[in-house]
Amino acid sequence: DIVLTQSPDSLAVSLGERATVNCKSSQSLLYSSSNKNFLTWYQQKPGQPPKLLISWASTRESGVPDRFSGSGSGTDFTLTISALQAEDAAIYYCHQYYSSPKTFGQGTRVEIK
Amino acid sequence: QVQLVQSGAEVRKPGASLKVSCKISGYTFTDHYIHWVRQAPGQGLEWMGMINPSGGSTDYPEKFQGRFTMTRDTATKTVYMELSRLTSEDTAMYFCARDRQQQLDSWGQGTLITVSS
Repeated sequence: DIVLTQSPDSLAVSLGERATVNCKSSQSLLYSSSNKNFLTWYQQKPGQPPKLLISWASTRESGVPDRFSGSGSGTDFTLTISALQAEDAAIYYCHQYYSSPKTFGQGTRVEIK
Repeated sequence: QVQLVQSGAEVRKPGASLKVSCKISGYTFTDHYIHWVRQAPGQGLEWMGMINPSGGSTDYPEKFQGRFTMTRDTATKTVYMELSRLTSEDTAMYFCARDRQQQLDSWGQGTLITVSS
């Protein structure tokens, strides 16, 4: 099974500052035939289902503010919130679709300092 | 608009079974796989499996094989998941989610299952 390890487990960031969440995979998530990384980022707020933020490691979902960006390839990925807003307080999960079981990272809690 | 509406919360005793439904609307039922994801209280997301509503084929992790079943009813555009031999560790919120090109783009509201004697 592919293991996704997120770091840190939690972080507190001041409003307007940058927040960075990392996700490291135990195997490459780059599918060579399509040159796409099968890595997705989700945001989950209390009492809500997860919300799709970023696909293919770096493609922002329609309607997601451009302060959210994703980067990385292969085994190392990053979600960046360039200027944290109050509504960004949430838990963020990475998820791999490269192979079954399609595992999630353990989650990173982002709080406002 | 795309909607996935799940059945309501349930309480079960250890050893019992449960069946949760996920009713689809707003798109062609057979065009997208449906996944099930669960979340124990205060914990992270756990992928449970996926079903192809077109042919009914399924994909489960080994840990759920033998007591987890996913089915679909194309007439009512509903996907079901059934979990048997419940233990307290199955207490969780269960979500269905639509697969759009290897991303889960629409989610049900969640169904809380409590296993308690």
